[in-house]
Amino acid sequence: KNEVEQSPQNLTAQEGEFITINCSYSVGISALHWLQQHPGGGIVSLFMLSSGKKKHGRLIATINIQEKHSSLHITASHPRDSAVYICAVRRYYSGGGADGLTFGKGTHLIIQP
Amino acid sequence: DAGVTQSPTHLIKTRGQQVTLRCSPKSGHDTVSWYQQALGQGPQFIFQYYEEEERQRGNFPDRFSGHQFPNYSSELNVNALLLGDSALYLCASSESPGHRAGELFFGEGSRLTVL
Repeated sequence: KNEVEQSPQNLTAQEGEFITINCSYSVGISALHWLQQHPGGGIVSLFMLSSGKKKHGRLIATINIQEKHSSLHITASHPRDSAVYICAVRRYYSGGGADGLTFGKGTHLIIQP
Repeated sequence: DAGVTQSPTHLIKTRGQQVTLRCSPKSGHDTVSWYQQALGQGPQFIFQYYEEEERQRGNFPDRFSGHQFPNYSSELNVNALLLGDSALYLCASSESPGHRAGELFFGEGSRLTVL
């Protein structure tokens, strides 16, 4: 079982719909990142969360540390939101040492006009 | 302010060759991480550099090595290339490693094709 699981893997929706992408993880973390990747490869960091909720424009990210679950919501979706959305966690090490991210496989989102 | 820059953007090599990829972090960032992303997959952590030392390593063989320079830029070297090394190689920078790390900034990646 992967340490970071995302659902759904693929999502097609109509413009204007409310979108939810889910991420569950099985390890202790110090932070969770939501990333956006467009065709061609470049990755943009959308949110970094360690607790609660963050909002940026039409994007909202929430995290429940106890349940080891996070969601990314997109309100009033638009075709330009079409991209791969990736959840990644920064694992917690008691010594506070350096660590890399563990990534989910991504959710491929298509918003149709 | 330039973000994370990577070079080259695309390159083609043959099996057995060696390749060097380069990354300049965002201004003010001292920590550089490298990731491999195979087609259709999520990125996989290769290693992280901080204070010119490899601080942590993912599950990659010794053929993958790196370096960080005093100006915080970094190189990823892959020796004895295999067909399976074909992937997008991403560099990410941040302020400090570990729990003190802030937002991550990614480069556009270097797409390596091994023939």
